[in-house]
Amino acid sequence: GNSVTQMEGPVTLSEEAFLTINCTYTATGYPSLFWYVQYPGEGLQLLLKATKADDKGSNKGFEATYRKETTSFHLEKGSVQVSDSAVYFCALKTGANNLFFGTGTRLTVIP
Amino acid sequence: KAGVTQTPRYLIKTRGQQVTLSCSPISGHRSVSWYQQTPGQGLQFLFEYFSETQRNKGNFPGRFSGRQFSNSRSEMNVSTLELGDSALYLCASRQGAATNEKLFFGSGTQLSVL
Repeated sequence: GNSVTQMEGPVTLSEEAFLTINCTYTATGYPSLFWYVQYPGEGLQLLLKATKADDKGSNKGFEATYRKETTSFHLEKGSVQVSDSAVYFCALKTGANNLFFGTGTRLTVIP
Repeated sequence: KAGVTQTPRYLIKTRGQQVTLSCSPISGHRSVSWYQQTPGQGLQFLFEYFSETQRNKGNFPGRFSGRQFSNSRSEMNVSTLELGDSALYLCASRQGAATNEKLFFGSGTQLSVL
């Protein structure tokens, strides 16, 4: 079956610290992988994606590389800001039109 | 262009009641998906509609149902509410049915079952 396991939060970091949120997956076939972000009081927004092995998705200073050998898609950012405080969801999609999400990781960045 | 609009924003019901949630997709979008978000289970796919037809369905009981109208607006209904149905229900739309199309999410309806 399809599933996503991501690092449990919450994660609290100081501004300019390095961020890693781990995500591993189990999938049938060749999934596309996503990171979504949910800011307080808002819906989900696509942050970045990768559609095949070794692809790197990047946006707003965040990066994640699709690692087929370790079935992982870890999210990283070199220097976080207070405005990055949100809940981050790792997700996968196979041939069907539905996404499988992880449980989300809440990030709080303090000044 | 207006985003995905979900109404109501908040809802309080009691066990055994039924509830209907509404979603208006982005203008021109024909696909609408519904997701349930809970602290314990995270985000789970409920179903997807395209051109008034249900295309995919997640692993939820028959108490959860939906429909889509000719203007692409969608409603989700939950009957015989249970405490465990308390969640944020998110709607997402996309223009077509292709798997590589970007999903746009609404802000959700927060349902509390007492």
